[in-house]
Amino acid sequence: EAGVTQFPSHSVIEKGQTVTLRCDPISGHDNLYWYRRVMGKEIKFLLHFVKESKQDESGMPNNRFLAERTGGTYSTLKVQPAELEDSGVYFCASSRLTEETQYFGPGTRLLVL
Amino acid sequence: GEDVEQSLFLSVREGDSSVINCTYTDSSSTYLYWYKQEPGAGLQLLTYIFSNMDMKQDQRLTVLLNKKDKHLSLRIADTQTGDSAIYFCAEKSGSSNTGKLIFGQGTTLQVKP
Repeated sequence: EAGVTQFPSHSVIEKGQTVTLRCDPISGHDNLYWYRRVMGKEIKFLLHFVKESKQDESGMPNNRFLAERTGGTYSTLKVQPAELEDSGVYFCASSRLTEETQYFGPGTRLLVL
Repeated sequence: GEDVEQSLFLSVREGDSSVINCTYTDSSSTYLYWYKQEPGAGLQLLTYIFSNMDMKQDQRLTVLLNKKDKHLSLRIADTQTGDSAIYFCAEKSGSSNTGKLIFGQGTTLQVKP
């Protein structure tokens, strides 16, 4: 069974540009989560999809962040326009609906210059 | 609010035991997790414990939970150089209707030969 995959693995962009991160969850996992770790601090929750619906987006920092999960499969997280403080590692995780364990992807390392 | 605290750094000699500690504030936590992140890699689930358990053992790993003090620890027996990584403690709140995890800052474990 393939794990959670994320693309790209690294992204370096300039302030003001747009970046789109992609996450492919494990097949059959209806729960999909986005998290972020900034500057060596704790990993913080961003949002949670159940299938294509946003269950909880309380962790989204501001309206420059847009997450989608059309069709309930893969998800994208777009940052527009990117700011310096958006630099960090963005993790995606997935799980089955009734499962307590979340499986994490390798993360996308975003650097905004 | 929900908060998870960990010490930032631990250094041990190869063959010694390592004990990584974590405290949390949410008394309604249902599950508590330990994740491991090796350099350049994603988060790997090591083990988890349900809140009504005191201890869980899995090969070299022992998790102890003191629910009264809201204290969780991870003991690694016979620590090896391959155990060098960042270890994250996380809790899932029972008061949340989503599955979001609350993470600590991570403890960097350095294993000296």
